[in-house]
Amino acid sequence: SAVISQKPSRDICQRGTSLTIQCQVDSQVTMMFWYRQQPGQSLTLIATANQGSEATYESGFVIDKFPISRPNLTFSTLTVSNMSPEDSSIYLCSVTNTGANVLTFGAGSRLTVL
Amino acid sequence: AQSVTQLGSHVSVSEGALVLLRCNYSSSVPPYLFWYVQYPNQGLQLLLKYTSAATLVKGINGFEAEFKKSETSFHLTKPSAHMSDAAEYFCAVSDRKGSARQLTFGSGTQLTVLP
Repeated sequence: SAVISQKPSRDICQRGTSLTIQCQVDSQVTMMFWYRQQPGQSLTLIATANQGSEATYESGFVIDKFPISRPNLTFSTLTVSNMSPEDSSIYLCSVTNTGANVLTFGAGSRLTVL
Repeated sequence: AQSVTQLGSHVSVSEGALVLLRCNYSSSVPPYLFWYVQYPNQGLQLLLKYTSAATLVKGINGFEAEFKKSETSFHLTKPSAHMSDAAEYFCAVSDRKGSARQLTFGSGTQLTVLP
């Protein structure tokens, strides 16, 4: 299965700033997703990163707050904009290929917003 | 619509004892079911999956799960717990159309293994 590298692994950020998280896959994949895992909670899908077009956002998530890029089949970024303490979470990149049901996850990026 | 309920946010067992993590699902169509494990400071790793073949599914690290349609359950078991099993476990369900985007996760169960 694919191997995913996420950067940064963790960061402490100030309120009002923005942070970009990178997701690099060691092979081409059809689908890339971004999840959020808030403290003590399960995973919530933020959006599907689409190559060469705008991401598809889930209910409750908007592009202005979570802009996503996917320039090719192995790389994506998620930006958390104008951060507040409520954005303190683990953000996870995951990938799969069309027709497959199994997601492969990165190690996650743990953000703390002060 | 689909949902997953994991009973017990925290489970503690002694080393060598049986591990039982409970998962009940709700799905309007026959589901695909998954168990993922998350070790500290790591991403989620697939333990096992049910996709309509045998109802008893064997996964990695000695874990297995049984799909029981009548009970809408997919409980995870391991006969003998090891210290290295301490982690958070997530049950997930997706519809049979197979879109990973439709995957719904449970709230997770933190497993502690006592020496």
